[in-house]
Amino acid sequence: GAGVSQTPSNKVTEKGKYVELRCDPISGHTALYWYRQSLGQGPEFLIYFQGTGAADDSGLPNDRFFAVRPEGSVSTLKIQRTERGDSAVYLCASSLNQGSYNEQFFGPGTRLTVL
Amino acid sequence: AQSVTQLGSHVSVSEGALVLLRCNYSSSVPPYLFWYVQYPNQGLQLLLKYTSAATLVKGINGFEAEFKKSETSFHLTKPSAHMSDAAEYFCAVTPNNDYKLSFGAGTTVTVRA
Repeated sequence: GAGVSQTPSNKVTEKGKYVELRCDPISGHTALYWYRQSLGQGPEFLIYFQGTGAADDSGLPNDRFFAVRPEGSVSTLKIQRTERGDSAVYLCASSLNQGSYNEQFFGPGTRLTVL
Repeated sequence: AQSVTQLGSHVSVSEGALVLLRCNYSSSVPPYLFWYVQYPNQGLQLLLKYTSAATLVKGINGFEAEFKKSETSFHLTKPSAHMSDAAEYFCAVTPNNDYKLSFGAGTTVTVRA
């Protein structure tokens, strides 16, 4: 079956622009996660959805970052007024349910470059 | 709070040699521990996980890891490296049955023919 997919695979934008990154989780997975991986570092947690609601957004760095999951499936991470420091690989993962008993399946990521 | 330290950002081994990747963690509660592998242009793939059952955990592709509470370690090993093991490996920790993974910085493995 299909895994987690993310689009676009690469996004280049200019400082100050708005970007949207999309995540299609595995069908039937109720939990969805966003992580950010900066160069030379491991992924860092951003936000977690259970169904349609953001159950934990404590990892979002500031109010320029926002994510939605309106129908409990596809999620979009939105970044306003992008800054060069936002350049990173943004990873999406999904799991059948929440909790570490449930394996998180990761997508290939979207590489965001802010010029 | 939980954190992970991976010793060595790059490891180079000969084909057929032992692979040893080191991971030390800190956790205020009993942890769940994970090793993930990332091949170029692919997503992270779970190799194995420790969830407070057996301390020696066997994973996919011949990898295994041992949880040592006294040393706060969860090192990953494979007896004989294969060329296909060339990838980046991440150790991660989370509190008991939590969803928020905390990752180490990763170790890149290269395999010499």
